[in-house]
Amino acid sequence: DQQVKQNSPSLSVQEGRISILNCDYTNSMFDYFLWYKKYPAEGPTFLISISSIKDKNEDGRFTVFLNKSAKHLSLHIVPSQPGDSAVYFCAASATGGSTLGRLYFGRGTQLTVWP
Amino acid sequence: DTAVSQTPKYLVTQMGNDKSIKCEQNLGHDTMYWYKQDSKKFLKIMFSYNNKELIINETVPNRFSPKSPDKAHLNLHINSLELGDSAVYFCASSHIGTGRNEQFFGPGTRLTVL
Repeated sequence: DQQVKQNSPSLSVQEGRISILNCDYTNSMFDYFLWYKKYPAEGPTFLISISSIKDKNEDGRFTVFLNKSAKHLSLHIVPSQPGDSAVYFCAASATGGSTLGRLYFGRGTQLTVWP
Repeated sequence: DTAVSQTPKYLVTQMGNDKSIKCEQNLGHDTMYWYKQDSKKFLKIMFSYNNKELIINETVPNRFSPKSPDKAHLNLHINSLELGDSAVYFCASSHIGTGRNEQFFGPGTRLTVL
């Protein structure tokens, strides 16, 4: 039962353009969402997050948008750079209740930024 | 000054053996986790310890036994290794008191069972 879904396994974008990575979730109890970036042979590294009380969070070239009614979030990278080429994981958590501390991950999207 | 470290990075062993993976975090976090990333690249949580107490225990074979000697360490011992245990195992830590739960991951241990 996959509660966080990333339906695009890969995305290819030209350098300088916008990259948009999408994520859908099914559990309405999720109230905190995160994006992680992973290079080969390394662990995932935290990139950006958003609380359900917001619909947008921006950090430099990275912006995460949350649409609670659609249970959808997206990560925008502008402008995309070759160093952004990595696997991006979407994750969600319900910060209260018995699931305290647990993150639910999507399967990841491989982003390739070409020159 | 690595935040979350794991040893070993690579582990190749025969079926039936027993092996351990060690994890240490120097971030002062109160919670540590073990994840398994299988061949389909799906990150699945296995265990979580908060202040040395087990708080998440997924449906994992009891051949897998986590041990947390203190808040900074969470080791994973695997008995009678099977071919299907081949995967990358990630340790992570966080401070769940903030309600944000940004987890910090180690570099992973690639386990290959022959």
